[in-house]
Amino acid sequence: NAGVMQNPRHLVRRRGQEARLRCSPMKGHSHVYWYRQLPEEGLKFMVYLQKENIIDESGMPKERFSAEFPKEGPSILRIQQVVRGDSAAYFCASSPQSSEPQHFGDGTRLSIL
Amino acid sequence: GQQVMQIPQYQHVQEGEDFTTYCNSSTTLSNIQWYKQRPGGHPVFLIQLVKSGEVKKQKRLTFQFGEAKKNSSLHITATQTTDVGTYFCAREVAGANSKLTFGKGITLSVRP
Repeated sequence: NAGVMQNPRHLVRRRGQEARLRCSPMKGHSHVYWYRQLPEEGLKFMVYLQKENIIDESGMPKERFSAEFPKEGPSILRIQQVVRGDSAAYFCASSPQSSEPQHFGDGTRLSIL
Repeated sequence: GQQVMQIPQYQHVQEGEDFTTYCNSSTTLSNIQWYKQRPGGHPVFLIQLVKSGEVKKQKRLTFQFGEAKKNSSLHITATQTTDVGTYFCAREVAGANSKLTFGKGITLSVRP
């Protein structure tokens, strides 16, 4: 059973470009969570999604950031017009039920030039 | 009110020493989860504690939930270099559909 798959593992963008991060949850998991982690810091919750629905996006900046989890295909975290401060590791996690422990992907390390 | 505190942020031990760290909350927790993240890796779920006073063991790791459900501890017996990493505790935010709030973590280094 494949784990949570994130791609790309590393992504380099110039300021002003768009970044698209993908996450395929574990098989049988319908709950997806995105977190951001800065060096030497903990995990900051961004957004929680189920298929085709955003359940909680309270941790996601109101501008430039969006997330989706379509009926078919992976969950996408999209960052428009990236700035240097967006450089971070972005982790996706999934769980079979909302109360179950979360399984994390390897993350996408985003670097902004 | 919905945060969990992990202090200190770093700890260094000699291989073979025991290690204990704590996770504290000002409010009662419904449950507490612990995760470990190796350097350059991703968080990996270790354990979930639900009941007051609950104690769970995984080999050399012992996890405990406080009687008042406001704190939790992780104890590692006879640390090894493989124990290196950052240990996070996480709580579910009440009424928030399983949103987890993570502590800042404690980064453990082990001198061989």
